[in-house]
Amino acid sequence: GAVVSQHPSWVICKSGTSVKIECRSLDFQATTMFWYRQFPKQSLMLMATSNEGSKATYEQGVEKDKFLINHASLTLSTLTVTSAHPEDSSFYICSASKEYLSSYNEQFFGPGTRLTVL
Amino acid sequence: QQQVKQSPQSLIVQKGGISIINCAYENTAFDYFPWYQQFPGKGPALLIAIRPDVSEKKEGRFTISFNKSAKQFSLHIMDSQPGDSATYFCAASEDAGGTSYGKLTFGQGTILTVHP
Repeated sequence: GAVVSQHPSWVICKSGTSVKIECRSLDFQATTMFWYRQFPKQSLMLMATSNEGSKATYEQGVEKDKFLINHASLTLSTLTVTSAHPEDSSFYICSASKEYLSSYNEQFFGPGTRLTVL
Repeated sequence: QQQVKQSPQSLIVQKGGISIINCAYENTAFDYFPWYQQFPGKGPALLIAIRPDVSEKKEGRFTISFNKSAKQFSLHIMDSQPGDSATYFCAASEDAGGTSYGKLTFGQGTILTVHP
């Protein structure tokens, strides 16, 4: 199998506080992990790509100082939303990439984390 | 050039019917085309995927048709069931060995409703 978990599944926080979301690949080593956000009835928007042991690559328009990504091991990546504000409320989803012998990497998605900032 | 355009936005079919969702892309470097199914409040789940070296791939009731020259691909759901009601996303990525690490570009999504 290829299972990806996220914790927490939902979180409510006050404006100005920081929130950490964990993404784990449970039964495989992930060469690369991706972080997405999704607004209601919209598509997934890639925020950043992270590789174990190196700095994350952020997509254009995503504030790297606000969305801190750490990829400390081949099975764990974290996203910290710093000084969260109501406009950061969204559904955050991670995916982990499983490397195959061929050139493509299949991505497996976590169940998502619903963040609500009051 | 990185866009993947998906249509229709929403689709209603009767139980037992065929659901067809279409996607078009511009980037000729794309070489992996997955389809994902997402239920409300859940993460996307991989349904089926295709590489450009084949024109069709079938897995159970799900079939991907791929037209490389037209830069289009589509998902066909045969014998659609109420349990198939979900949002479907097409996606595309370049060779994972490159600098993109195989990051996915998603289509806009299609909300499928299958009536009993």
